[in-house]
Amino acid sequence: DIQMTQSPSSLSASVGDRVTITCRASQTISSYLNWYQQKPGKAPKLLIYAASSLQSGVPSRFSGSGSGTDFTLTISSLQPEDSATYYCQQSYSTFTFGPGTKVDVK
Amino acid sequence: QITLKESGPTLVKPTQTLTLTCTFSGFSLSTSGVGVGWIRQPPGKALEWLALIYWNDDKRYSPSLKSRLTITKDTSKNQVVLTVTNMDPVDTATYYCAHISAVTRGYYNYYAMDVWGQGTTVTVSS
Repeated sequence: DIQMTQSPSSLSASVGDRVTITCRASQTISSYLNWYQQKPGKAPKLLIYAASSLQSGVPSRFSGSGSGTDFTLTISSLQPEDSATYYCQQSYSTFTFGPGTKVDVK
Repeated sequence: QITLKESGPTLVKPTQTLTLTCTFSGFSLSTSGVGVGWIRQPPGKALEWLALIYWNDDKRYSPSLKSRLTITKDTSKNQVVLTVTNMDPVDTATYYCAHISAVTRGYYNYYAMDVWGQGTTVTVSS
């Protein structure tokens, strides 16, 4: 099984800050990595697929990078509505989610 | 417009079998490259992928739950059904179904869950 880890588990940042979340896979997964945003009481929303492709309708302040085992999600200028939990997910071998990173906007 | 909606019991007793139905619209599960997956989330915890079924009836299960899961599709009804046997209180969670799509780049297909249902909450208690 492919295991996913994320860091940090939570963070607090101010409006306008640049925020980076890291995701690591237990084995190489090429670019088979997706990112989701989940707000309390809501279903997850796809942000990034194939490591770096922005899903239609997602603001351009979100970006993804990486390949192999190490990946990052960057929010270039944090907005109040970005307060949420972010999950990475590998799709190299079925699916596995990471443990999530909770982002709080001060 | 793709939509999905989960339905099933809100309360089940320990040892019972849970049957959940995902009813969808806006796509066909007979279209190449398309799939439907099930994911759950215990209260306050992370997402956990459970199972998926593709247009060609290829079925995959989470290794940790494989012995307890069965996924099937009814293409004519636009439904996917997940059964979970021997339910336990630790199975208390919100259960989601999601549309799985593929983006092809060269020789490779990249899959993602691009549309989700609203989720249904299942509590396991006697």
